[in-house]
Amino acid sequence: DGGITQSPKYLFRKEGQNVTLSCEQNLNHDAMYWYRQDPGQGLRLIYYSQIVNDFQKGDIAEGYSVSREKKESFPLTVTSAQKNPTAFYLCASNIGTGANVLTFGAGSRLTVL
Amino acid sequence: SQQGEEDPQALSIQEGENATMNCSYKTSINNLQWYRQNSGRGLVHLILIRSNEREKHSGRLRVTLDTSKKSSSLLITASRAADTASYFCATAPQGGSTLGRLYFGRGTQLTVWP
Repeated sequence: DGGITQSPKYLFRKEGQNVTLSCEQNLNHDAMYWYRQDPGQGLRLIYYSQIVNDFQKGDIAEGYSVSREKKESFPLTVTSAQKNPTAFYLCASNIGTGANVLTFGAGSRLTVL
Repeated sequence: SQQGEEDPQALSIQEGENATMNCSYKTSINNLQWYRQNSGRGLVHLILIRSNEREKHSGRLRVTLDTSKKSSSLLITASRAADTASYFCATAPQGGSTLGRLYFGRGTQLTVWP
């Protein structure tokens, strides 16, 4: 079945550590996105990529980094520079043209201890 | 902010009743979408309505769009306990990227009691 796989589902990190969240899709989608969700909040865009080897900052990119070396993969690194990293992180993708309906992964919950 | 804002923030109803959620937004849009999120899970796309459409149906879902008021509503008829979830509206602004840049509201938490 086609879909988006995020791992790990739960992650604990000590302050000062970098952590990388994995996002893999087998939908042959060109565009991929990372959103952050805080309790009772909507989704805020961190980074997005429309094509391999290219990505753009979203609304809250500070303290995060990404890469897009393969079409299927769009990992997100939460660096120690991110002041409040505890959140639910959602990866999404779409075909890159047309009506821009997003397909989401199941999410990764990061907790900083 | 370009975000949509849902109203109410929380809604609690009995099975069999209808649930109505509203979304207001600030900028001109290409389309508006509704997504559902079960607790601790990813979002699932429910329905999309384009700016030149006024109403759309999908199963028990009915979406309306009033671009003059910059608002949309999602109606779930004959609600079931399984409909319990958070519902988000997302707007695709006009003139922006057509490659998935959506702006999400904070969501309505719907609870349907058996």
